[in-house]
Amino acid sequence: GNSVTQMEGPVTLSEEAFLTINCTYTATGYPSLFWYVQYPGEGLQLLLKATKADDKGSNKGFEATYRKETTSFHLEKGSVQVSDSAVYFCALKRMDSSYKLIFGSGTRLLVRP
Amino acid sequence: SAVISQKPSRDICQRGTSLTIQCQVDSQVTMMFWYRQQPGQSLTLIATANQGSEATYESGFVIDKFPISRPNLTFSTLTVSNMSPEDSSIYLCSVPIAGGKGETQYFGPGTRLLVL
Repeated sequence: GNSVTQMEGPVTLSEEAFLTINCTYTATGYPSLFWYVQYPGEGLQLLLKATKADDKGSNKGFEATYRKETTSFHLEKGSVQVSDSAVYFCALKRMDSSYKLIFGSGTRLLVRP
Repeated sequence: SAVISQKPSRDICQRGTSLTIQCQVDSQVTMMFWYRQQPGQSLTLIATANQGSEATYESGFVIDKFPISRPNLTFSTLTVSNMSPEDSSIYLCSVPIAGGKGETQYFGPGTRLLVL
């Protein structure tokens, strides 16, 4: 079946450090892939997405590349800020017509000044 | 994108009571989804709210516990019935919006429910 696996958190970094949050998936066909962010006390916001192999999604300095060969969609940012502290969810959209999302377990990021 | 609002934003309820959560979207959408996020956990899909027909529930969720209404293409409600402390969660509605790179799901701000 379809599934998403994320690295466990929390991830604690100092400001301006490089960030990588690993995400791998299992799916049939070519699902669309997403990163969502949940800031403390808020709902989910779409951070970026990619819909086909080798697509790179980017937003707010974050990037992720859809790697079909490794079934991965790792999130990266070159220099994190304290304001990036949040929970990050990797998700895939199933290939059927239901539009349903399958989420990873989430990775909490804490950035210290 | 879509602007999605939910009411209430949070509530504290007594066990055995019921709470109805509203979700309003600023545009007409065919499908709306309801998710649950238990404390420290990821999101789990409860059901798909279909306009003009009964909601479609995921495994482990039943209509008696989570009745859903979808009276029109911009509005839905989720009721959490006969609540217990295990129902303490964030409940989120979401809608898929078509765009240049396929559909994207947008989420409401969530309703934070604490059951005592």
